[in-house]
Amino acid sequence: SQQGEEDPQALSIQEGENATMNCSYKTSINNLQWYRQNSGRGLVHLILIRSNEREKHSGRLRVTLDTSKKSSSLLITASRAADTASYFCATGTDKLIFGTGTRLQVFP
Amino acid sequence: GAGVSQSPSNKVTEKGKDVELRCDPISGHTALYWYRQRLGQGLEFLIYFQGNSAPDKSGLPSDRFSAERTGESVSTLTIQRTQQEDSAVYLCASSFGTGGNTGELFFGEGSRLTVL
Repeated sequence: SQQGEEDPQALSIQEGENATMNCSYKTSINNLQWYRQNSGRGLVHLILIRSNEREKHSGRLRVTLDTSKKSSSLLITASRAADTASYFCATGTDKLIFGTGTRLQVFP
Repeated sequence: GAGVSQSPSNKVTEKGKDVELRCDPISGHTALYWYRQRLGQGLEFLIYFQGNSAPDKSGLPSDRFSAERTGESVSTLTIQRTQQEDSAVYLCASSFGTGGNTGELFFGEGSRLTVL
């Protein structure tokens, strides 16, 4: 079974808008990671947040982590058409288990 | 090479045939992972290697699936007597793999398997 579940399953926005994706997980974690997958391609690592961190930034990405609620969010600010992709959260210790993903469509 | 390499990139086979999928991880990465992704779905964990050992094979769907890794490098995922439900993209990833604290995974582009 999946460790994480993303919400929403799909999201459509206009360029320039912000996109927020949420991830819930089930067990205790050491860290949580977010990945991006362009259609038909492999996954690319975006950002890793440790269990003792609450927020982390990388360029237009902002990730938050709430271990008490077992949830994380990924915010993409000032979205671009090139941000169109699927986004996955992933957690695990010896093996990384991925969530179900959010399909983001950014319209020019 | 600079990244994780998988071959073949595409494989079409007939039901009942065996297939082998290969993964060349990034040099020096001790951990190697196999995932399956059906069309429009998330990633399904299959197996991971730490060195040449596979501590967790829990994700392998059936005994038709097996994997090995040699020389702490190349890994092969073998599917015997393929079925149509095996059709999917098989993704390989590698990492430095510090036990108990999985770090960033580097993915290959996947092997797309179609079973007719």
